[in-house]
Amino acid sequence: KAGVTQTPRYLIKTRGQQVTLSCSPISGHRSVSWYQQTPGQGLQFLFEYFSETQRNKGNFPGRFSGRQFSNSRSEMNVSTLELGDSALYLCASSLGTSGYNEQFFGPGTRLTVL
Amino acid sequence: KNEVEQSPQNLTAQEGEFITINCSYSVGISALHWLQQHPGGGIVSLFMLSSGKKKHGRLIATINIQEKHSSLHITASHPRDSAVYICAVLSGSRLTFGEGTQLTVNP
Repeated sequence: KAGVTQTPRYLIKTRGQQVTLSCSPISGHRSVSWYQQTPGQGLQFLFEYFSETQRNKGNFPGRFSGRQFSNSRSEMNVSTLELGDSALYLCASSLGTSGYNEQFFGPGTRLTVL
Repeated sequence: KNEVEQSPQNLTAQEGEFITINCSYSVGISALHWLQQHPGGGIVSLFMLSSGKKKHGRLIATINIQEKHSSLHITASHPRDSAVYICAVLSGSRLTFGEGTQLTVNP
């Protein structure tokens, strides 16, 4: 079974631009969660989608948004990029709700904002 | 004060040593996860537990709900165990992460 894939793996943007990241979960997994990891803040929960519905959202501004498609693939979008958005963005998939099930992480997308 | 505290932040051991990483939390939780992150960023889920103890190979995870504390033990440590170990707690409906413990095992 293929693992969780994320595209692109690396991205360089400038302040003010927007970016879309993609995550393809393991086949059969209906939950996709997104996380931001920075050296200063560590791992932080962004949001979770389950069967195309956002179930939970972390404490991030409205510039961060996401969606999930009927095939469980998910995208997250960050608008009006700021320098502080430079981070590793990880997605993880699970069969059920992320907190109660083993999560399988993708390799991440490393975003650099200049 | 962070809701999830890990100790130590950094740990260096010699191959073969018994290792313990601790995680304390200040909120009520439904479950606790231990994750392993290797250089380069890849994260692997090691354990999810809500009570008692779980064992997988050389890894053992325990949790004491009353004391709001969990430990991750590694027996017969090996250089390939070198990684960052992260504790995460499920409180309400979202995961909150500790800052991680950087483990280095020297041959």
